[in-house]
Amino acid sequence: SQQGEEDPQALSIQEGENATMNCSYKTSINNLQWYRQNSGRGLVHLILIRSNEREKHSGRLRVTLDTSKKSSSLLITASRAADTASYFCASQGAQKLVFGQGTRLTINP
Amino acid sequence: DVKVTQSSRYLVKRTGEKVFLECVQDMDHENMFWYRQDPGLGLRLIYFSYDVKMKEKGDIPEGYSVSREKKERFSLILESASTNQTSMYLCASSPAGFYGQYFGPGTRLTVL
Repeated sequence: SQQGEEDPQALSIQEGENATMNCSYKTSINNLQWYRQNSGRGLVHLILIRSNEREKHSGRLRVTLDTSKKSSSLLITASRAADTASYFCASQGAQKLVFGQGTRLTINP
Repeated sequence: DVKVTQSSRYLVKRTGEKVFLECVQDMDHENMFWYRQDPGLGLRLIYFSYDVKMKEKGDIPEGYSVSREKKERFSLILESASTNQTSMYLCASSPAGFYGQYFGPGTRLTVL
């Protein structure tokens, strides 16, 4: 399978804590993207990091990319109840996106 | 804001029926995609299209076909629905080049 892997599969933290999710992919990429999916809904694009970038920030999100290890991480700082969702990484090569299995994040009040 | 709409949120069909899933985007995007999402298997690409009347097979095209007669509309067709096609179907669009994709709300299809 070409699919990437995400770790952990599930994460439960207290509101206000930081959440870190990791992603590994298998082939060379043009960019890596992160998406959020609320239960039973479509995916929402969060952030894109290109292969020549190592770190990128967007609000409370911080993404890192290590192309030598074929891995990426997503950090959500100061988590909120509304951050409860599934998070997917997606690696983009020449054409299509290849999605990971996702991390289910639960923020407890 | 980009809007991607799908014709139905929930759909129930019987085995052997021909099923049409419609997707419309309003941002003049060149690229459109159909995925299915299943527990434990993640999102898998069925078909995609880079332009009107063009289509490319994704990872799991068997049992499906697509149509793109107009730039804003991308249809997924199940010629003869089977129970193993029960799934969540997600449509997405993106501009040409390497950009993020915009997803519709999904259609949960049940084939009895």
